[in-house]
Amino acid sequence: ETGVTQTPRHLVMGMTNKKSLKCEQHLGHNAMYWYKQSAKKPLELMFVYSLEERVENNSVPSRFSPECPNSSHLFLHLHTLQPEDSALYLCASSQDVAGWSGEQYFGPGTRLTVT
Amino acid sequence: GDSVTQMEGPVTLSEEAFLTINCTYTATGYPSLFWYVQYPGEGLQLLLKATKADDKGSNKGFEATYRKETTSFHLEKGSVQVSDSAVYFCALTLSGGSYIPTFGRGTSLIVHP
Repeated sequence: ETGVTQTPRHLVMGMTNKKSLKCEQHLGHNAMYWYKQSAKKPLELMFVYSLEERVENNSVPSRFSPECPNSSHLFLHLHTLQPEDSALYLCASSQDVAGWSGEQYFGPGTRLTVT
Repeated sequence: GDSVTQMEGPVTLSEEAFLTINCTYTATGYPSLFWYVQYPGEGLQLLLKATKADDKGSNKGFEATYRKETTSFHLEKGSVQVSDSAVYFCALTLSGGSYIPTFGRGTSLIVHP
């Protein structure tokens, strides 16, 4: 148990559906992250939030829409996805985004399948 | 730019064998170095870290030494167990600089009884 929870753990959705992934951290951290992990590919950073402000958007398609209502919660809203978006989506948190040693705490991930 | 290179897997070992997973890095400043582990069906967990040259990180029988002269941070364990089967990621961040961790591609370890 890392102190970062994600729901749902598994999600199957059609290309026309709209769904949301939720992440919650219980560590009092100020920064939260979304990563995409696909088979045979490096870990891809998608978004970074610091104190509810987005500080990084790594050329992610607009069909992925993040939301950070407070420093403990992070959402990823999904709509009109493509089959190649099927992957494990990992949420992580850290104490801050600058001036720290760099360790992150990850949730267990949401396994997304787009049909 | 900054980068981390790990040996390609999978690494397949018998129980109680010695493990080495190589990791080398390229960085413009003075990085902190990390090993993360991902067990099947789970997210990444920090395994160990080292924040300056010659530091040795250790945890659960795993060790890695920050070697500035060879820009390496190889992961070692003297006697692996079946429960060590997982994917291992080497990563770096730049102290006081970029807050975005740079991860290696991961190395899968399979330990047979």
